[in-house]
Amino acid sequence: AQSVTQLDSHVSVSEGTPVLLRCNYSSSYSPSLFWYVQHPNKGLQLLLKYTSAATLVKGINGFEAEFKKSETSFHLTKPSAHMSDAAEYFCVVSDLPSAGANNLFFGTGTRLTVIP
Amino acid sequence: GAVVSQHPSRVICKSGTSVKIECRSLDFQATTMFWYRQFPKKSLMLMATSNEGSKATYEQGVEKDKFLINHASLTLSTLTVTSAHPEDSSFYICSARIRDGETQYFGPGTRLLVL
Repeated sequence: AQSVTQLDSHVSVSEGTPVLLRCNYSSSYSPSLFWYVQHPNKGLQLLLKYTSAATLVKGINGFEAEFKKSETSFHLTKPSAHMSDAAEYFCVVSDLPSAGANNLFFGTGTRLTVIP
Repeated sequence: GAVVSQHPSRVICKSGTSVKIECRSLDFQATTMFWYRQFPKKSLMLMATSNEGSKATYEQGVEKDKFLINHASLTLSTLTVTSAHPEDSSFYICSARIRDGETQYFGPGTRLLVL
């Protein structure tokens, strides 16, 4: 079975400093992994996706994540935080997609606060 | 591409009335759509999986007679909250996926407030 653990429920950084949001996964096979971002009262926006190609994945808005199989991790990083990055971030693992069934397993989310 | 819309974005209704929420995939055909519910400061909770032309599959604990789901076309799924009560107040989010695809594309959500 697939599962995701987001190690921090809340991360606070100063504007202009690096962002690190941690995610560990459990999977019985080589999974696909996603990071989604949710701004207040909004839906989820796909930041980036790993699908067994390059282990370093670049996403939108300057975010990137590195898949490390040995550590079962998929941490999200950004070199320099902007105020607009303040949001909730979800790490998600995908089960083998089967027609008609759900395939995504969500982490509990990490709230990122950016201090001016 | 891969845009999903929801309507309405916000709705207030009286207790006992029914509310319909629409989820549309605007630029792709979604063979499968999903309905989620999100409580404040919580992650998404899957309510049901909706396949075009078939009955929806509900997660354990979700009342199918209360949350009616219809997926009549490859671009539209609807969720009707019947006889709404204040405890049904929540943020409802849909997502859509192409056949055999992995990525779910999410709508902007609908805030339901039942008075």
